[in-house]
Amino acid sequence: LAKTTQPISMDSYEGQEVNITCSHNNIATNDYITWYQQFPSQGPRFIIQGYKTKVTNEVASLFIPADRKSSTLSLPRVSLSDTAVYYCLAPQGSARQLTFGSGTQLTVLP
Amino acid sequence: DGGITQSPKYLFRKEGQNVTLSCEQNLNHDAMYWYRQDPGQGLRLIYYSQIVNDFQKGDIAEGYSVSREKKESFPLTVTSAQKNPTAFYLCASSIASGRGSYNEQFFGPGTRLTVL
Repeated sequence: LAKTTQPISMDSYEGQEVNITCSHNNIATNDYITWYQQFPSQGPRFIIQGYKTKVTNEVASLFIPADRKSSTLSLPRVSLSDTAVYYCLAPQGSARQLTFGSGTQLTVLP
Repeated sequence: DGGITQSPKYLFRKEGQNVTLSCEQNLNHDAMYWYRQDPGQGLRLIYYSQIVNDFQKGDIAEGYSVSREKKESFPLTVTSAQKNPTAFYLCASSIASGRGSYNEQFFGPGTRLTVL
């Protein structure tokens, strides 16, 4: 199973770049890595998804090395409003369901 | 305006009562999901449905039941058999799952259930 492991929490300051790394040692050949963001008392929101190398959108970048055993979500120049929980997901089980772990609590400080 | 709705936002029930949480989507998605979230924890999958009239148990299905009679609707019933029902419940929908590939889930605003 492609169980993911990520840090429980991270602190950063406004304007800094934040990198959150997720390990997924047993990811299957065809599986994508997906990241979600969740604010308190709201449902998670899709941020980015990737298969290999680098993916960039208006919100974040996702770096996946050639061995695909890990991935790094990069948030450029964070602001206070980026304080949230960030989940790294990979499909699991025969039904290929995305499973949310505990995520990484990112706290952006002024 | 497409989206996924859940009602009510807050729900209070007495212990021993069954309660049904509503989830509706107009995104024309085939797949729908129910999650439970406890304070400081991640989301845990209760039930999911890939198609009308079919659904599968997730990781914590005991004490819950669902139905999928319409594509747009996926109600969740929290039964009296659920030992600790107080939690934040989230419904989501997505296009039908591809094998390992793109499966973005769109979430509703959630229902916070408190059992007194």
